[in-house]
Amino acid sequence: DAKTTQPTSMDCAEGRAANLPCNHSTISGNEYVYWYRQIHSQGPQYIIHGLKNNETNEMASLIITEDRKSSTLILPHATLRDTAVYYCIVSSTFGNEKLTFGTGTRLTIIP
Amino acid sequence: EADIYQTPRYLVIGTGKKITLECSQTMGHDKMYWYQQDPGMELHLIHYSYGVNSTEKGDLSSESTVSRIRTEHFPLTLESARPSHTSQYLCASSESAFTGKNIQYFGAGTRLSVL
Repeated sequence: DAKTTQPTSMDCAEGRAANLPCNHSTISGNEYVYWYRQIHSQGPQYIIHGLKNNETNEMASLIITEDRKSSTLILPHATLRDTAVYYCIVSSTFGNEKLTFGTGTRLTIIP
Repeated sequence: EADIYQTPRYLVIGTGKKITLECSQTMGHDKMYWYQQDPGMELHLIHYSYGVNSTEKGDLSSESTVSRIRTEHFPLTLESARPSHTSQYLCASSESAFTGKNIQYFGAGTRLSVL
């Protein structure tokens, strides 16, 4: 699985959009980008995933660059409950389906 | 909401005791996983299973063992607990292979303290 690089921490004001970047420059053609988050040592929670098109669901939007070497998770209107560690993970859909969580980005929403 | 359950949530136990951490899911998922996470640290995969009677060791070596006799149940056992086993243990499940998705659903975790 390709490695990812994320900032260690970020702050965002409550009510603003939180934009979390992720670099995955060695991603291969059959690898998806997944985002999970972990709130205060609870079990991680799936947020969204994508292959090459931008994706949106009720939780967030995922923007993947055309060359697929980086992506951005967008939380459109951050709330205090969005304070968590956010993990960007690249994983193949064939054979090896293990996820490597890494250290993630600690996002703090400021009141 | 994912239907995956772990018991107990918290366990404090003495050195040398045998313990079993329970994990059950009602989603009919073939694949199940155990992760270990120390406070503030990364999650590490210690065991996984692709289905009944299938178990594999993960990326992090662990003295624990697992079994998969039923699809919905994936217990983790420590034959003789030691203080070094103190950690949080997280169980997860996902749909079958080759669905094009690798969405894992996690339980709330078991916090184990070995005195």
